Amino acid sequence: AQTVTQSQPEMSVQEAETVTLSCTYDTSESDYYLFWYKQPPSRQMILVIRQEAYKQQNATENRFSVNFQKAAKSFSLKISDSQLGDAAMYFCAYRAPYTGTASKLTFGTGTRLQVTL
Amino acid sequence: DTAVSQTPKYLVTQMGNDKSIKCEQNLGHDTMYWYKQDSKKFLKIMFSYNNKELIINETVPNRFSPKSPDKAHLNLHINSLELGDSAVYFCASSHPYREANSPLHFGNGTRLTVT
Repeated sequence: AQTVTQSQPEMSVQEAETVTLSCTYDTSESDYYLFWYKQPPSRQMILVIRQEAYKQQNATENRFSVNFQKAAKSFSLKISDSQLGDAAMYFCAYRAPYTGTASKLTFGTGTRLQVTL
Repeated sequence: DTAVSQTPKYLVTQMGNDKSIKCEQNLGHDTMYWYKQDSKKFLKIMFSYNNKELIINETVPNRFSPKSPDKAHLNLHINSLELGDSAVYFCASSHPYREANSPLHFGNGTRLTVT
């Protein structure tokens, strides 16, 4: 079974600084999909960024970028120019490709990010 | 213009009762899901339907029964509620599950408290 590990239960960053959240996963697949979701105190789950394993280029979305290391099975999220609104739980998630049966989106345990002034 | 809407947002009930949570999406997606988020924030899939057909059924007690009257709706009925059922339940939808790169769009969750 695929597992997703987020080893940092909590992280803190100062406003305008950069922070990196770690994520590793375990899979025997060669193609798969990785996601980062954000859950602010409002409880809503918001997609931050996604990466397809066959793409070597790291995904970026404005201030959010990933460092995808396929051989190391690592998928870290970098947040640049951190803002107060970035304070949230961040979940890394993995999904295997469709190979005849539905695959599920498997989440890590989350990292709580605090942003300080 | 809510994409995935769940009702109710909060549900407080006593042990032994039966309750339902409703979910509707207006994104035109074929696949819908129920996830449970426990007190430690861990998210785990419970069920998934594609165009009214059950495609994922994780190991959950059979007190939990999903129902999909059409592809835009996926409801969750829970019988004989127990204290351990207290959690936040999220509904989500996506493009057909065969498009595994399609992100899930989540509702705002239903916080269920069983007393």
